[in-house]
Amino acid sequence: EILMTQSPATLSVSPGERATLSCRASQSVSTNLAWYQQKPGQPPRLLIFSASTRASGVPARFSGSGSGTEFTLTISSLQSEDFAVYFCQQYNNWPPMYTFGQGTKLDIK
Amino acid sequence: QLQLQESGPGLVKPSETLSLTCSVSRGSIRNSGYYWAWIRQPPGKGLEWIGFVHDSGTAYYTPSLKSRVAVSVDTSKNQFSLTLSSVTAADTAVYFCARSITPLVEVPAAIFDYWGQGTLVSVSS
Repeated sequence: EILMTQSPATLSVSPGERATLSCRASQSVSTNLAWYQQKPGQPPRLLIFSASTRASGVPARFSGSGSGTEFTLTISSLQSEDFAVYFCQQYNNWPPMYTFGQGTKLDIK
Repeated sequence: QLQLQESGPGLVKPSETLSLTCSVSRGSIRNSGYYWAWIRQPPGKGLEWIGFVHDSGTAYYTPSLKSRVAVSVDTSKNQFSLTLSSVTAADTAVYFCARSITPLVEVPAAIFDYWGQGTLVSVSS
């Protein structure tokens, strides 16, 4: 099983500033990585797939980068609606053994 | 826009079987070519992919649950279902159903683009 580790667990950032979230895989997943945003009481929302491709309707301030074992989600200028929990997910296997990171909570500073 | 809605008991006794159904609307499961997934989230914790089923009936499961789980599809009702047997308190979670799509030719299902709102299932006597 590929273990996904996100850091930090909690990130406090002021509105308008940049946020950088990290995700590390225990072995290479190439660029087979997605990011999701989850707000309280809601299901996750797909933000990024293939490490850097924004899903439909996702604002351009969200960007993803990385390959292999190291990945980054960057939010360039935080808006109030961006404060949420973010999860990464790898999908490098078939037959599937998909795994998620434990999440990073993005808090208002 | 596709909509998914989970339904089923909110409380299950230990050692019994958890059964949930996901109803799909504003879209059809039949001949969709997609995989239809179950994902769970224990309170305050992260996400765990449980498994998914193709509209043909082919299913895949996460290894840690494979001996206890089954996901099936009923295209005539536009629904798919989850059963998890011999539940314990560790199975207490919000259970989400979702559609799985893929950006990869070599992988038939990969990421989850439409989700239900989720349903909390507690395991307790």
